[in-house]
Amino acid sequence: KNEVEQSPQNLTAQEGEFITINCSYSVGISALHWLQQHPGGGIVSLFMLSSGKKKHGRLIATINIQEKHSSLHITASHPRDSAVYICAVNEGAQKLVFGQGTRLTINP
Amino acid sequence: EPEVTQTPSHQVTQMGQEVILRCVPISNHLYFYWYRQILGQKVEFLVSFYNNEISEKSEIFDDQFSVERPDGSNFTLKIRSTKLEDSAMYFCASTDRGRTYEQYFGPGTRLTVT
Repeated sequence: KNEVEQSPQNLTAQEGEFITINCSYSVGISALHWLQQHPGGGIVSLFMLSSGKKKHGRLIATINIQEKHSSLHITASHPRDSAVYICAVNEGAQKLVFGQGTRLTINP
Repeated sequence: EPEVTQTPSHQVTQMGQEVILRCVPISNHLYFYWYRQILGQKVEFLVSFYNNEISEKSEIFDDQFSVERPDGSNFTLKIRSTKLEDSAMYFCASTDRGRTYEQYFGPGTRLTVT
């Protein structure tokens, strides 16, 4: 069974700062997901990765399969980026195993 | 853009009552999932469903839970006799055949059992 660990659990930063959230997992996977959960509870998929790096706007996600590690970066952070960021991995083709989430607060 | 919808957004029920949570997945998607998130805890997998049958379920998904796709568009989660510990946010998700790993989540149903 995969164990997914995220760090830090909470992160507070000033607007404009570069943000890094880390995720590690214990067993080889087919894909890794970064998700965003807003205070209302809804979950939005940000990235799905199986290798390398992906970029979408100010968000960058990387994965190192050998190290079983992924990072989510936010450049030029903004208060609207405040949310819980969740790492999840595929066990097989279907089931997702989730990390505990990182609560990000960006102050103006 | 197509999206997964869930109803109701909030359901309050008494312990021992049956509840049905409803989801409408994206129309061309073939794989369907239910997850739950107890307040303050991580999201947990409950069940996956493909080709009108359960393909995988977690240890949480015991005989009190069932899923159904009754009419080709809705995907439902039934809890037969709710317990206090069933109080949680329940998320439905779906994927299409060509992009099996990317899951699209609904907005969730908050279930409160009193």
